[in-house]
Amino acid sequence: EDQVTQSPEALRLQEGESSSLNCSYTVSGLRGLFWYRQDPGKGPEFLFTLYSAGEEKEKERLKATLTKKESFLHITAPKPEDSATYLCAGKTGANNLFFGTGTRLTVIP
Amino acid sequence: DAGITQSPRHKVTETGTPVTLRCHQTENHRYMYWYRQDPGHGLRLIHYSYGVKDTDKGEVSDGYSVSRSKTEDFLLTLESATSSQTSVYFCAMAGGLGTANEQFFGPGTRLTVL
Repeated sequence: EDQVTQSPEALRLQEGESSSLNCSYTVSGLRGLFWYRQDPGKGPEFLFTLYSAGEEKEKERLKATLTKKESFLHITAPKPEDSATYLCAGKTGANNLFFGTGTRLTVIP
Repeated sequence: DAGITQSPRHKVTETGTPVTLRCHQTENHRYMYWYRQDPGHGLRLIHYSYGVKDTDKGEVSDGYSVSRSKTEDFLLTLESATSSQTSVYFCAMAGGLGTANEQFFGPGTRLTVL
């Protein structure tokens, strides 16, 4: 059964305190691992796509990495505006995404 | 994403009534999707479309139907709404030039079934 599990469910960080979010997956024939950011009351916003183990992508304070079993979203020196829920999803055939339940990140000034 | 909108944004209805949610995109994307988002479940795929009049079921399709008569519009219908269909519904699109895999989401519709 295809499954994506994210941890922790919630994370509180002080401004400037770096950390990582985890996404472990069991998706048969994975065709991509996706990260999204979701702010309260809004739709998910696309961040990154990773396709193969060892691949890394960066955007401002965020860096996503991928292994054969999991992906990490590293947040370096976060700011309060990085507070959001971060969603991970695995892509199966037919361009369908299988989402995890997210990590709710709070960055305290 | 500015290129995809949903209407209505909020709706309250009663059990047993039909409800139609509309998704409209201006990006000429081939694929469109309907998801629901509930606490503890994350986003779950209801139905998707891979072209005009071409649709298929997702993970949680029971009680829902869809139609796509034009590239830009994807409708989700609850034939007889139930309280278990109270949720936030998101539409997404994919398949634009250079972005074949990424899905871009609309702002969501909050539906309450009393």
